[in-house]
Amino acid sequence: GENVEQHPSTLSVQEGDSAVIKCTYSDSASNYFPWYKQELGKRPQLIIDIRSNVGEKKDQRIAVTLNKTAKHFSLHITETQPEDSAVYFCAAPLGYSTLTFGKGTMLLVSP
Amino acid sequence: NAGVTQTPKFQVLKTGQSMTLQCAQDMNHEYMSWYRQDPGMGLRLIHYSVGAGITDQGEVPNGYNVSRSTTEDFPLRLLSAAPSQTSVYFCASSRRDRDGYTFGSGTRLTVV
Repeated sequence: GENVEQHPSTLSVQEGDSAVIKCTYSDSASNYFPWYKQELGKRPQLIIDIRSNVGEKKDQRIAVTLNKTAKHFSLHITETQPEDSAVYFCAAPLGYSTLTFGKGTMLLVSP
Repeated sequence: NAGVTQTPKFQVLKTGQSMTLQCAQDMNHEYMSWYRQDPGMGLRLIHYSVGAGITDQGEVPNGYNVSRSTTEDFPLRLLSAAPSQTSVYFCASSRRDRDGYTFGSGTRLTVV
């Protein structure tokens, strides 16, 4: 089955800096890669996703890039703000029916 | 449109007790999954379903049962609660495979 590894486990940045979180996956047939943000005490919420027919997708300050050859995908957050502080999870398909998640990255943005 | 609704939000059980965590969605989603979240462990898949009458085991299924008699409901049963099952449980659903999941608000379970 699919295995997703996520790095780093924690990331501290200053407000206005960029943050990058990287995930690797094992199944070369995987073709859908979502990212979730989970604020303290809340549910995970989908913030952006990418399918394997594109290499990059942007939505305002966040972007995701995909390298199918190397089997990794990354979340990029530019001009970070304190409200970006949260735990971020990457995921990949497990078979055809569900998702498997990375262990998460705690992002801390200091004012 | 309530999305994915989980009940209860909090529960304390004694070791050996059984209970059912409820999950319902009103989006006509075919795919539903249960995850547990523990510190440093991310979201681990317990059981999942691709439609009414069809369920399968995930990464950590021991001690849990599921059934899917309707498209809307996907309850998770703890057969005999153990302290190792202390966790936050999330139910999630999606419209189809290769689609983003919508999560419920979670159930925080403590087994003493």
